[in-house]
Amino acid sequence: KNEVEQSPQNLTAQEGEFITINCSYSVGISALHWLQQHPGGGIVSLFMLSSGKKKHGRLIATINIQEKHSSLHITASHPRDSAVYICAVTGNQFYFGTGTSLTVIP
Amino acid sequence: GAGVSQSPSNKVTEKGKDVELRCDPISGHTALYWYRQSLGQGLEFLIYFQGNSAPDKSGLPSDRFSAERTGGSVSTLTIQRTQQEDSAVYLCASSQYRSYGYTFGSGTRLTVV
Repeated sequence: KNEVEQSPQNLTAQEGEFITINCSYSVGISALHWLQQHPGGGIVSLFMLSSGKKKHGRLIATINIQEKHSSLHITASHPRDSAVYICAVTGNQFYFGTGTSLTVIP
Repeated sequence: GAGVSQSPSNKVTEKGKDVELRCDPISGHTALYWYRQSLGQGLEFLIYFQGNSAPDKSGLPSDRFSAERTGGSVSTLTIQRTQQEDSAVYLCASSQYRSYGYTFGSGTRLTVV
């Protein structure tokens, strides 16, 4: 069993749709990270959360420590949001989800 | 510099050769991490440095892999006697403290032929 589970693995959306990517983890953590990787590109850190909610532009990340669950929301999705989104947690060790591949169709 | 710098950006090496990968973290960042991403795979943690503390080497896949960080700044990841399964993108990231946001370098693409 993976310590970090993401869903869905793949997601296709029409431009403008509201998108949610989920992350569940089974270990104690000090922080949870959402990362973005464009095809052939580098990795960008989107958010680092230890509680509550953060917002940056059209991106919103939430975390529920008691339920060990985080969500990444994208409002008014755009084709340039097409990327792999990775959930990662830091605790005693570092654990990564396998990523969610998002494709936004114009 | 403004970001995390890695060199070389691409490296092709023959099986059995040693390679060194370099990471220059953001100035003042005390935490430095090495990861790798094999083709079609997720990120794999390799090693973590925090200040002057002993590094967390729990992710290194074999004793052919080693890393050091000199003067709390530049880090070098060394792979000895490279194997084809070592082919991957090796990523370095730094942060101000362990649980702060990461800044990633653009990676070194290693191909072992």
